[in-house]
Amino acid sequence: GEDVEQSLFLSVREGDSSVINCTYTDSSSTYLYWYKQEPGAGLQLLTYIFSNMDMKQDQRLTVLLNKKDKHLSLRIADTQTGDSAIYFCAEKDKNYGGSQGNLIFGKGTKLSVKP
Amino acid sequence: DSGVTQTPKHLITATGQRVTLRCSPRSGDLSVYWYQQSLDQGLQFLIQYYNGEERAKGNILERFSAQQFPDLHSELNLSSLELGDSALYFCASSVGGSGMNTEAFFGQGTRLTVV
Repeated sequence: GEDVEQSLFLSVREGDSSVINCTYTDSSSTYLYWYKQEPGAGLQLLTYIFSNMDMKQDQRLTVLLNKKDKHLSLRIADTQTGDSAIYFCAEKDKNYGGSQGNLIFGKGTKLSVKP
Repeated sequence: DSGVTQTPKHLITATGQRVTLRCSPRSGDLSVYWYQQSLDQGLQFLIQYYNGEERAKGNILERFSAQQFPDLHSELNLSSLELGDSALYFCASSVGGSGMNTEAFFGQGTRLTVV
């Protein structure tokens, strides 16, 4: 079945760039997502990329997709302390023929930003 | 604020008991998804309803059930609770339920503690 994997921790200094990596197994994934979870809060959709794209930029966020290696990354430029959170990579679940919208999530990468 | 409302925010109950978690989706959203977030399993999809009907089922135990009412709010019923059911339960909603990009908005979650 589908699986999404991420490293569990990342620590960076304020002002540096953060790169959070994710690998997925389903080569037919159409959309791939990045969600952010702050302590005690729900999941906030940060950005998504369609599988026919290699890159998507949205202000400080850059998503890179390597379909050959099934690798997705999220780069946060000029990382701030407010970016400290858990970041989840997710792909659409194909088990139901695409007739639904549920997601398969990675275990999340905890980003710690040091001042 | 995502527009998805979950109640209660916290719930403490004893083993063997039954609880009901409630979710009100964003206005206009027809799909409701339930996810369980635990430390060991991460974020797991439980079940999806679309316009009152069950659309997809994930790793939902037989002791758990859900429904979506005509006003589109949803309830997740957890019975014969065990210590291992302690987790954060998220509800998400989206406009559609198909394989198109159905951006899902998450509620703040209900933290269930079984003692």
